[in-house]
Amino acid sequence: AQRVTQPEKLLSVFKGAPVELKCNYSYSGSPELFWYVQYSRQRLQLLLRHISRESIKGFTADLNKGETSFHLKKPFAQEEDSAMYYCALRAIGQGGKLIFGQGTELSVKP
Amino acid sequence: DTGVSQNPRHKITKRGQNVTFRCDPISEHNRLYWYRQTLGQGPEFLTYFQNEAQLEKSRLLSDRFSAERPKGSFSTLEIQRTEQGDSAMYLCASSSTTGGDTEAFFGQGTRLTVV
Repeated sequence: AQRVTQPEKLLSVFKGAPVELKCNYSYSGSPELFWYVQYSRQRLQLLLRHISRESIKGFTADLNKGETSFHLKKPFAQEEDSAMYYCALRAIGQGGKLIFGQGTELSVKP
Repeated sequence: DTGVSQNPRHKITKRGQNVTFRCDPISEHNRLYWYRQTLGQGPEFLTYFQNEAQLEKSRLLSDRFSAERPKGSFSTLEIQRTEQGDSAMYLCASSSTTGGDTEAFFGQGTRLTVV
């Protein structure tokens, strides 16, 4: 079965501290992995995807197939990073549907 | 706003009533998805269309739920005989299978409360 697990419902850090939001997945094939973000009162939007291997707003994520993980990292958190973060998996050849994790709320305190 | 548009934004209904939601995708997108999100959970896939064809339905989509995309543009999601367990945020997303970028863009959702 395809599943995405985000073990932390809430992650609270101080401004300037490093951040790591954990994501583990279960899928027998080669998935596409994404991080979506939802800021307060805004719609869900794509933050980054593993195939692009880029850094967006200082965030990076590396796909580790051995550990089936796709953790999101940022070296220095900013207050504007406070939001809900969802890890999602897309299986190849299944019409583009996304399987989401439960989400992690990131709170960055001043 | 040229993004995905959903109406209404909020709907309160009595148990047993029927409700219908509308989604207008980004105009050139041929795929349209419906998701449901309950409190404290991530979005769960319900169904998707490619053009006007409904290609997959989740087992979450009971017989009381029906979705249409008659002309391959906007879509409607109807829930018949609503139950309190149907209370959730219903999200619509669209994407394109052409042009190389298959990113899914989400609407702001319709929040349904069944009382």
